Amino acid sequence: SQELEQSPQSLIVQEGKNLTINCTSSKTLYGLYWYKQKYGEGLIFLMMLQKGGEEKSHEKITAKLDEKKQQSSLHITASQPSHAGIYLCGADDNYGQNFVFGPGTRLSVLP
Amino acid sequence: NAGVTQTPKFQVLKTGQSMTLQCAQDMNHEYMSWYRQDPGMGLRLIHYSVGAGITDQGEVPNGYNVSRSTTEDFPLRLLSAAPSQTSVYFCASRITTGTFGYTFGSGTRLTVV
Repeated sequence: SQELEQSPQSLIVQEGKNLTINCTSSKTLYGLYWYKQKYGEGLIFLMMLQKGGEEKSHEKITAKLDEKKQQSSLHITASQPSHAGIYLCGADDNYGQNFVFGPGTRLSVLP
Repeated sequence: NAGVTQTPKFQVLKTGQSMTLQCAQDMNHEYMSWYRQDPGMGLRLIHYSVGAGITDQGEVPNGYNVSRSTTEDFPLRLLSAAPSQTSVYFCASRITTGTFGYTFGSGTRLTVV
């Protein structure tokens, strides 16, 4: 079965700093999804990447997909306390029915 | 639109009791799933459904039953609650695979004592 790993497990940054979170898949990616979870709440869909080399941005968050490396990165520019939370990557297996998540990266942003 | 609605938000059960976690979506999504989230274990898929009348097991199905009699509803049944089922449960839905991401409910925090 497909497995997703994320690094780092947790991250503490000062407000205004840039940061990157990585997601690596054990198998070929057929679509990579990024979610954010605020503590004690449900997941919020951020963006989906499908094609190798694809890059998407939403406000100050940019995600890229390196299909050959089976890897995606999530970059936050000029972090703010509102960016704090848990970031999870998710992916479909090649049949598209089983959707798995990475373990998550816990981000804290210090004001 | 309400999105994905889960009830209850909190529940305490005694070992051996049974209960049903409710999940309803009003977006006409075909795919629905149940996940449990535990510290250090991430989100694990319990059961999923690709349409009314069709369900399948995920990674951790033991101790749980599901049914999908309508597109809108996907209840999760705990047959005989055990302390190991203490967790936060999330229901999620999406249109089909390979398109938009899942929309998640706000979760049910279940404690089994």
